[in-house]
Amino acid sequence: EAGVAQSPRYKIIEKRQSVAFWCNPISGHATLYWYQQILGQGPKLLIQFQNNGVVDDSQLPKDRFSAERLKGVDSTLKIQPAKLEDSAVYLCASSLDIQVSTEAFFGQGTRLTVV
Amino acid sequence: GQSLEQPSEVTAVEGAIVQINCTYQTSGFYGLSWYQQHDGGAPTFLSYNGLDGLEETGRFSSFLSRSDSYGYLLLQELQMKDSASYFCAVRDRRADSWGKLQFGAGTQVVVTP
Repeated sequence: EAGVAQSPRYKIIEKRQSVAFWCNPISGHATLYWYQQILGQGPKLLIQFQNNGVVDDSQLPKDRFSAERLKGVDSTLKIQPAKLEDSAVYLCASSLDIQVSTEAFFGQGTRLTVV
Repeated sequence: GQSLEQPSEVTAVEGAIVQINCTYQTSGFYGLSWYQQHDGGAPTFLSYNGLDGLEETGRFSSFLSRSDSYGYLLLQELQMKDSASYFCAVRDRRADSWGKLQFGAGTQVVVTP
């Protein structure tokens, strides 16, 4: 079974530029999560989807971050414009379904450096 | 909101036993999970407790006390490969955010020869 796929693995941009990350969850997984993990900290939930609907985006900085999950499968996370403090690893994870699954499967993440 | 507290670092020798405690506060609780993350790697699922008691999976065990809002991960017969960060994570259950999965800050476990 293929795991969660993310791209790119690494990205370096200048502040005020925009960037987009892509995630392909495990086939059949209804729940998709985007996390931000700053070095030395735990993953911080940015947004959680159930199929193509948003379950929670309370910690997503909506003035600069946006995410979508068209057709309930792939998802993209965008930052525009980027700030220095956005330097982090962005992790995508998926679960079979919120209501029945207790395990989230993570991708390898995208390491973003904002200079 | 939610908050999770766990120690920042634990050091132990090979073969020893380590217990990582996690206390949580959440307005709606569904279950407590544990994840392992090696440097540069992705978090991987270790265990889940939805009910009070002990869950055992090989050398790792996890415990939950819902009345105390407390859980722990027990690592037995420590091996060098167990050096990693360990995160507790709470899945909440509320009308407006069913199943939101929030992580603690993590505990760095350092295993020495």
